[in-house]
Amino acid sequence: DSGVTQTPKHLITATGQRVTLRCSPRSGDLSVYWYQQSLDQGLQFLIQYYNGEERAKGNILERFSAQQFPDLHSELNLSSLELGDSALYFCASAPGLGNEETQYFGPGTRLLVL
Amino acid sequence: GQSLEQPSEVTAVEGAIVQINCTYQTSGFYGLSWYQQHDGGAPTFLSYNALDGLEETGRFSSFLSRSDSYGYLLLQELQMKDSASYFCAVRETGTYKYIFGTGTRLKVLA
Repeated sequence: DSGVTQTPKHLITATGQRVTLRCSPRSGDLSVYWYQQSLDQGLQFLIQYYNGEERAKGNILERFSAQQFPDLHSELNLSSLELGDSALYFCASAPGLGNEETQYFGPGTRLLVL
Repeated sequence: GQSLEQPSEVTAVEGAIVQINCTYQTSGFYGLSWYQQHDGGAPTFLSYNALDGLEETGRFSSFLSRSDSYGYLLLQELQMKDSASYFCAVRETGTYKYIFGTGTRLKVLA
């Protein structure tokens, strides 16, 4: 158990819909990362937040957005969903400045868009 | 663009030693990380090389050579439980973006 929690574990929805994925980092960690992993694919970095502020942006679609709240939990919002958005979405956390390289991953949210 | 290339699959027998390579094209990064991911599971951190050279953690060692744009993960005394996918990763300087390698699926045979 990494200490990072993600909800829900599974999500089935239809094209055009909007969903919100939630992540709670390890206690004390200030950085939160979001990744997308499609079937048998590598990890695609989406976005990083540090202490409530956006710090780095990867290949995140405009239909996707995220935020980190004052209690440091984070949410990833996916809208106008398409079939190709079906994937495993991971959140990871790291302590913060000076220690970003050890990321602790949550169990992931498996999204299926029908 | 930035990319990290790994062999797609490596097969070895129990007790053997295996090396998983990671070659990269990136203008600047802080260091090279390695993660393990079992089927259906989440990635777990294995090691990090901030500087060139060898880092050893138990049965796993990792190496980085910035001049050769190359790194590797060395797994010794292979066990069946080591069957998993392995990813190298870097964090770009300046942008702080994380880039993961293409991943290597390791199969350990009895």
